[in-house]
Amino acid sequence: AQSVSQHNHHVILSEAASLELGCNYSYGGTVNLFWYVQYPGQHLQLLLKYFSGDPLVKGIKGFEAEFIKSKFSFNLRKPSVQWSDTAEYFCAVNGNNAGNMLTFGGGTRLMVKP
Amino acid sequence: EPEVTQTPSHQVTQMGQEVILRCVPISNHLYFYWYRQILGQKVEFLVSFYNNEISEKSEIFDDQFSVERPDGSNFTLKIRSTKLEDSAMYFCASSERPGGSNSPLHFGNGTRLTVT
Repeated sequence: AQSVSQHNHHVILSEAASLELGCNYSYGGTVNLFWYVQYPGQHLQLLLKYFSGDPLVKGIKGFEAEFIKSKFSFNLRKPSVQWSDTAEYFCAVNGNNAGNMLTFGGGTRLMVKP
Repeated sequence: EPEVTQTPSHQVTQMGQEVILRCVPISNHLYFYWYRQILGQKVEFLVSFYNNEISEKSEIFDDQFSVERPDGSNFTLKIRSTKLEDSAMYFCASSERPGGSNSPLHFGNGTRLTVT
């Protein structure tokens, strides 16, 4: 079975601070990894995804994530956050033998203070 | 950008009543999903649907739940006899190809179901 854990439930940062949100997964095979963002009152939107190739993936709005296979991690980073990044961030995994099922982490609620 | 739309945005129902949550997936997508998020908990997979049949379902998706694609555009989730613990945000999603391959899921805004 696949599982995902996000260690930070709530993060509060000031604008221009750097961000790193942790994500660790558990799965015995090849994985596809995703970060989704949910802005207040809106739907889940894909920030970035990793399927194969370069383990450092770049997404929208200046976000990036690095897949470290040896650590089973896929941490999300942004060098300088903005107030508009206030949202909830979800890491998700799909194991290659897990069919269509995405397993989500518990989410990290990010608040950026202006 | 095309969107997945869900109606209603909020549904209140009494325990034991049937509810139908509606979704219009993105038009050229072939794979459809329902997820739910109980307040304060993780987003959980319920079911995936392709070619007019369920392709996968979780243990949450018991006999009280059913899905249907009644026409070429709608995708519905029915809960036959709601329980208090069914109160959650229900998200519909769709993808062009099997989710988890090179085809990310696109989610709707969700329907908040409150069972009283």
